[in-house]
Amino acid sequence: EAGVTQSPTHLIKTRGQQATLRCSPISGHTSVYWYQQALGLGLQFLLWYDEGEERNRGNFPPRFSGRQFPNYSSELNVNALELEDSALYLCASSLELSRDSHQPQHFGDGTRLSIL
Amino acid sequence: AQSVTQPDIHITVSEGASLELRCNYSYGATPYLFWYVQSPGQGLQLLLKYFSGDTLVQGIKGFEAEFKRSQSSFNLRKPSVHWSDAAEYFCAVGERATNKLIFGTGTLLAVQP
Repeated sequence: EAGVTQSPTHLIKTRGQQATLRCSPISGHTSVYWYQQALGLGLQFLLWYDEGEERNRGNFPPRFSGRQFPNYSSELNVNALELEDSALYLCASSLELSRDSHQPQHFGDGTRLSIL
Repeated sequence: AQSVTQPDIHITVSEGASLELRCNYSYGATPYLFWYVQSPGQGLQLLLKYFSGDTLVQGIKGFEAEFKRSQSSFNLRKPSVHWSDAAEYFCAVGERATNKLIFGTGTLLAVQP
């Protein structure tokens, strides 16, 4: 069974540009999550998508946005890139949540975004 | 606010020695707890999880963790470390309402021969 796949592996941009990162969840998983792992800031929650809807977002400015497609894959878009956006962006997926259970998140290998 | 503390930034152990990585959490209700491992240049791999029930949970690669509510701890253990265990280890608490993971700052494990 294929795991969570992310593309591209590396992405180099300059300040002010826009970046698009892609994620394909594990087959059968309907929830997709995005996390940022920046040097010195640790792992921080960005966004959660489920059934095509944004369910929750972390403490990030609106220039961080995304969407989930009908096949449950997802895109993360970062507009007006700043130097501090340089980080590893990790995507995770999980099975459908229910009221009485929790589903663990399974992570991809990430996209390394470098801003010059 | 919910938080996770990993007091040890860096630990070095000898191959074959036992290992314990510490994790303390702050959470209002019964937490969902996780340990993940990250090798250089890679994503996070789930080692084990605690949702409810038996407080001693077994994971992959010979790891186990014990949930102690009275101490708000979820320490990770392994009886005999292998050189391939060298990596960074993250403890996390899962927020029930949002399924968001709140991570600790990680513990970097080095294994010496």
